Amino acid sequence: QKEVEQDPGPLSVPEGAIVSLNCTYSNSAFQYFMWYRQYSRKGPELLMYTYSSGNKEDGRFTAQVDKSSKYISLFIRDSQPSDSATYLCAIINAGGTSYGKLTFGQGTILTVHP
Amino acid sequence: EAGVVQSPRYKIIEKKQPVAFWCNPISGHNTLYWYRQNLGQGPELLIRYENEEAVDDSQLPKDRFSAERLKGVDSTLKIQPAELGDSAVYLCASSLGTSGSGIQYFGAGTRLSVL
Repeated sequence: QKEVEQDPGPLSVPEGAIVSLNCTYSNSAFQYFMWYRQYSRKGPELLMYTYSSGNKEDGRFTAQVDKSSKYISLFIRDSQPSDSATYLCAIINAGGTSYGKLTFGQGTILTVHP
Repeated sequence: EAGVVQSPRYKIIEKKQPVAFWCNPISGHNTLYWYRQNLGQGPELLIRYENEEAVDDSQLPKDRFSAERLKGVDSTLKIQPAELGDSAVYLCASSLGTSGSGIQYFGAGTRLSVL
């Protein structure tokens, strides 16, 4: 079993829809939670960064962390065709010999249709 | 400010040939990472440098892969000899400080095809 599990999709939605992307993790030492967006043939770019349970909002994007369930989510409101990309959850290990190691999920491919 | 720069962007080689990738991190970033991203997967860490020191190379296949970061700035990742299974995108990232929780900024990657 992978330390970070993410549904690879693909996910296809119409413009304006609300998108929900999810990951689960197994390591309790994971403390910092991120969402990266990766366009085709580009490197990942950071969208959201949080270290506590609860919600963090940035424009149309909301990151949600539930440490008790080891579950993280990214919500995209009013989705746009420009949001079409692969979304990667990523978690930093804050304990033990793997301190600082960033572990990625598989990535979810999102397509937003005009 | 320039981001993480990688070259070449694409490389096609025959199996058993050597190949090298180069990375220039964001100025002032102490920590540098090399990742491998297979098709349809998330990036997986190969090696992490803090300044000149490789502090985590546990996932680097040392029989054929090597890396160096001279003077704690640019870095080179080498594969010799390359195998078919090495076809992937090799990503370089850098972060400020050495705490391990810093935000990692990625380059565009080098797409390697081994024929």
